[in-house]
Amino acid sequence: GAVVSQHPSWVICKSGTSVKIECRSLDFQATTMFWYRQFPKQSLMLMATSNEGSKATYEQGVEKDKFLINHASLTLSTLTVTSAHPEDSSFYICSHRGTGETQYFGPGTRLLVL
Amino acid sequence: GDSVTQMEGPVTLSEEAFLTINCTYTATGYPSLFWYVQYPGEGLQLLLKATKADDKGSNKGFEATYRKETTSFHLEKGSVQVSDSAVYFCALSDLGLDMEYGNKLVFGAGTILRVKS
Repeated sequence: GAVVSQHPSWVICKSGTSVKIECRSLDFQATTMFWYRQFPKQSLMLMATSNEGSKATYEQGVEKDKFLINHASLTLSTLTVTSAHPEDSSFYICSHRGTGETQYFGPGTRLLVL
Repeated sequence: GDSVTQMEGPVTLSEEAFLTINCTYTATGYPSLFWYVQYPGEGLQLLLKATKADDKGSNKGFEATYRKETTSFHLEKGSVQVSDSAVYFCALSDLGLDMEYGNKLVFGAGTILRVKS
């Protein structure tokens, strides 16, 4: 099946710094890209959706200036957590969708902000 | 809004035991329903799906039937193996108001399955 990679797999940073997470589809081109976050023992929550050539659409309650999403190409999307704070510590998961309905997920990135 | 509720884990079973993971949903529309599986260190993978009432999705010995009357999509397998140990997520797909951004997935919290040999 299709493969999506994420980098880094985990990151620890100081409060106030920015962190960039990359999501790549390795063997297909993604027309739509999604970013989710997951807190312990809770559901994956959709943060934003982006189509190629368009700005990301953020879900209610997600700060677009804090979570910068770039649909860089058909195979790469990035999420930048700006001025990270301890409450941003979470598990961030991306997914890419090519043709058809199926989303292909990355393995996730665990962020810990000290 | 739409939501998905699935049974809490972890679920611990012996090899060859019967598996049921319950999933119920709330939706205003007529969603598609999915089960995703996440093996250790890997991304979520689609396990099976159903797009309309009474549809049965099946894959790798797992089955789930879309029950509109009970708003459920329970996952079952007749005989689990150690290799089935993973986290299982029930999800629904809502097209939303903007068709261009369709296929928004709403997930349940996930259920950890541990199978012992």
